[in-house]
Amino acid sequence: QLVLTQSPAASASLGASVKLTCTLSSGHSSYAIAWHQQQPEKGPRYLMKLNGDGSHSKGDGIPDRFSGSSSGAARYLTISSLQSDDEADYYCQTWVTGIWVFGGGTKLTVL
Amino acid sequence: EVQLVETGGGLIQTGGSLRLSCAASGFTVNSNYMSWVRRAPRKGLEWVSLIHPVGNTYYADSVKGRFTISRDNSKNTLYLQMDSLRAEDTAIYYCARAPTGGAFDCWGQGTLVTVSS
Repeated sequence: QLVLTQSPAASASLGASVKLTCTLSSGHSSYAIAWHQQQPEKGPRYLMKLNGDGSHSKGDGIPDRFSGSSSGAARYLTISSLQSDDEADYYCQTWVTGIWVFGGGTKLTVL
Repeated sequence: EVQLVETGGGLIQTGGSLRLSCAASGFTVNSNYMSWVRRAPRKGLEWVSLIHPVGNTYYADSVKGRFTISRDNSKNTLYLQMDSLRAEDTAIYYCARAPTGGAFDCWGQGTLVTVSS
């Protein structure tokens, strides 16, 4: 079964960096994923598509502070130079024909 | 500018029906994979349904047999017909585009559906 696992919460200080993790279920470690950001009271925003080899393509207007990387079944989103409006829910998403799956989301708090 | 605007949400009784619309601009709906995704209160995003450019449709098990996705190419609009609504269908519903059938790269602002007895 295709499942994405994310930690429910993360926190980091203003100006610091944070690395969020999304883990693919067994047997799916080569799959690409996408990262999405959802700020309070807003629709989700596409950040990037991240491949199993770590290569990624970002959405229009996504700043260089957002980057992705991969290791085995883990997919990472690193946000550097944290700003207050980075406080949001972050979701990973993957797919196989006929099924599209989201992780449970990570709520990021900027201290 | 690529944009998606959802309408049609509201308060509906358990067992009732509602049709959501998603008007697209800046691209053509029938050339893309188009999807509905929802977020229930205090929960995460949940994929609901998707329509392929050639017209094949897919549904999450939680809505199969009750929801129908469709599109009107002349209006460049995506729809979600929701029947036999349940309390657990209460959520903000978003439409999204997946140009190659994978990552959703464009989202609407959402429309709220509240199902109550």
